[in-house]
Amino acid sequence: NAGVTQTPKFQVLKTGQSMTLQCAQDMNHEYMSWYRQDPGMGLRLIHYSVGAGITDQGEVPNGYNVSRSTTEDFPLRLLSAAPSQTSVYFCASSYLGGGQNEQFFGPGTRLTVL
Amino acid sequence: GENVEQHPSTLSVQEGDSAVIKCTYSDSASNYFPWYKQELGKRPQLIIDIRSNVGEKKDQRIAVTLNKTAKHFSLHITETQPEDSAVYFCAASKGSARQLTFGSGTQLTVLP
Repeated sequence: NAGVTQTPKFQVLKTGQSMTLQCAQDMNHEYMSWYRQDPGMGLRLIHYSVGAGITDQGEVPNGYNVSRSTTEDFPLRLLSAAPSQTSVYFCASSYLGGGQNEQFFGPGTRLTVL
Repeated sequence: GENVEQHPSTLSVQEGDSAVIKCTYSDSASNYFPWYKQELGKRPQLIIDIRSNVGEKKDQRIAVTLNKTAKHFSLHITETQPEDSAVYFCAASKGSARQLTFGSGTQLTVLP
């Protein structure tokens, strides 16, 4: 199993550009989420999904869109990049059933917006 | 919403000593408390977790304690080794939800 994968690993954008961060998992996890990590602030939840066709906002959703058309994929779209979106982005997934709360993180995407 | 505070932000210990990191949470409905270790440039990885129906959990050199009344939980690492050096994050979630609220992290440095 590849686990949780993310592409790209690094990206530099100019202000106003758009892009999509890709996330995929091969563990048949129902739950998927996106976090951003900024220095000294831990990880903050952007959006999450409990299954295909279902998404919801987290703590810091502004400027980001998501969709979940399949169980495996959960892309994060930046519509018009801003310097404040410079961060490291992590995708995570987990089962929803039983007591299996553990979330598995992808390797991250380091995004710089100039 | 939930607020998780973590202290200290940095911690240096001598190899072989113990390290303790503390977190407090605000939402009394939170019932799941994981700890993640993140090495430089790597992804967070779960090292131990505890649920609100348990007061303490151990896994070799790592232990977590939970005080529901005071709404705080702590990570204890004994016999620290240089490879324990990393950033440690506490987190909380409630009910069957998987949405985690993270603390701000503790940079642990184990000095040889």
